[in-house]
Amino acid sequence: IAGITQAPTSQILAAGRRMTLRCTQDMRHNAMYWYRQDLGLGLRLIHYSNTAGTTGKGEVPDGYSVSRANTDDFPLTLASAVPSQTSVYFCASSRTGGQGGELFFGEGSRLTVL
Amino acid sequence: GQNIDQPTEMTATEGAIVQINCTYQTSGFNGLFWYQQHAGEAPTFLSYNVLDGLEEKGRFSSFLSRSKGYSYLLLKELQMKDSASYLCALMDSNYQLIWGAGTKLIIKP
Repeated sequence: IAGITQAPTSQILAAGRRMTLRCTQDMRHNAMYWYRQDLGLGLRLIHYSNTAGTTGKGEVPDGYSVSRANTDDFPLTLASAVPSQTSVYFCASSRTGGQGGELFFGEGSRLTVL
Repeated sequence: GQNIDQPTEMTATEGAIVQINCTYQTSGFNGLFWYQQHAGEAPTFLSYNVLDGLEEKGRFSSFLSRSKGYSYLLLKELQMKDSASYLCALMDSNYQLIWGAGTKLIIKP
């Protein structure tokens, strides 16, 4: 089934540890995004990539990094996790960049930083 | 600046009709999206409006008034499976999405 796969689905992490959330899509979409979703707040964009080889900063990029070595994969790395990064993280993709079209979301990765 | 507001929670009865409002303020506008998100799941696309008026898609319709900075999602013939959060998202002049916090819709039998 075509779509977006995220891993892990859930993780508990000690503060200060490094963590990479994986995201893979098989729809050949050009653009990919990482969002965090916190209770009472709208989805907030962390980083995005309009096409393979390029990345950009979103609304809340501090403490996170991404790479886009190919079309399919868009991992999100927390270099040194802090409790405020406890959240649900969603990876998404769209056919074109600039978030100009419908977004397709992965099932989310629930991260708890203690 | 940009701002987007929608009610936190609404309750409706199975079989009825409910309207979820979304108001926004923005200096540039390139469309408004509605997404549905069931608890613990990913958001899924419902509708996109860029011109004023009503877009109908089965039991769901979405309305936009750009002059009033206003949109609504209308759900007819409510079913229990419609219990979910409904997210309004504004696309600004830079084609960036600004998301509302979502409206949790509770359907009662």
